[in-house]
Amino acid sequence: GEDVEQSLFLSVREGDSSVINCTYTDSSSTYLYWYKQEPGAGLQLLTYIFSNMDMKQDQRLTVLLNKKDKHLSLRIADTQTGDSAIYFCAESARRMDSSYKLIFGSGTRLLVRP
Amino acid sequence: DAMVIQNPRYQVTQFGKPVTLSCSQTLNHNVMYWYQQKSSQAPKLLFHYYDKDFNNEADTPDNFQSRRPNTSFCFLDIRSPGLGDAAMYLCATSRDDTGSLFDEQYFGPGTRLTVT
Repeated sequence: GEDVEQSLFLSVREGDSSVINCTYTDSSSTYLYWYKQEPGAGLQLLTYIFSNMDMKQDQRLTVLLNKKDKHLSLRIADTQTGDSAIYFCAESARRMDSSYKLIFGSGTRLLVRP
Repeated sequence: DAMVIQNPRYQVTQFGKPVTLSCSQTLNHNVMYWYQQKSSQAPKLLFHYYDKDFNNEADTPDNFQSRRPNTSFCFLDIRSPGLGDAAMYLCATSRDDTGSLFDEQYFGPGTRLTVT
């Protein structure tokens, strides 16, 4: 079945690196995503990785993908208080009609302490 | 500048009283989605429209309906809200759902529904 799991909570000190982990089940996922949700706001696409890549770096963000273990991680370097939010991992899962839909994890709440 | 707009942001309804949530987009995207997000849970897809074609998820209760009168607007109708329907309802759009091509979803800020 389709399932995406994440740890619920992470607390880091400002300036440290944050690593948010995610496991997924659908090996046919073409893309894997990280979305950010700030209080009172909708989800915003933060970054994504194509399934044939191992790593993607985008400024302070590094995404690592281990397809064998179906493990995805998001590293935020030099974490700032403005990074405090809920981070959702998502996989694109194939539907019965061969179209895709996003399956989200429950989200990891990141708290950045000054 | 707002691209996906949801109104109202907060909605209170009574148990069993029909309620409609609205979503509009300025992106001219083909696909519009409705998600239900309960506290500390993952957003769960209820249904989506590809243009005028309606696609219901298998486990979406019959109590939930949707209408898309034109490209810009999409409505979520809850015919008889129960206490368990209290949640954040997120609308999203994407250009196309052709699967293996990257297709970013743009989310609105959500409508928080309270059922009393």
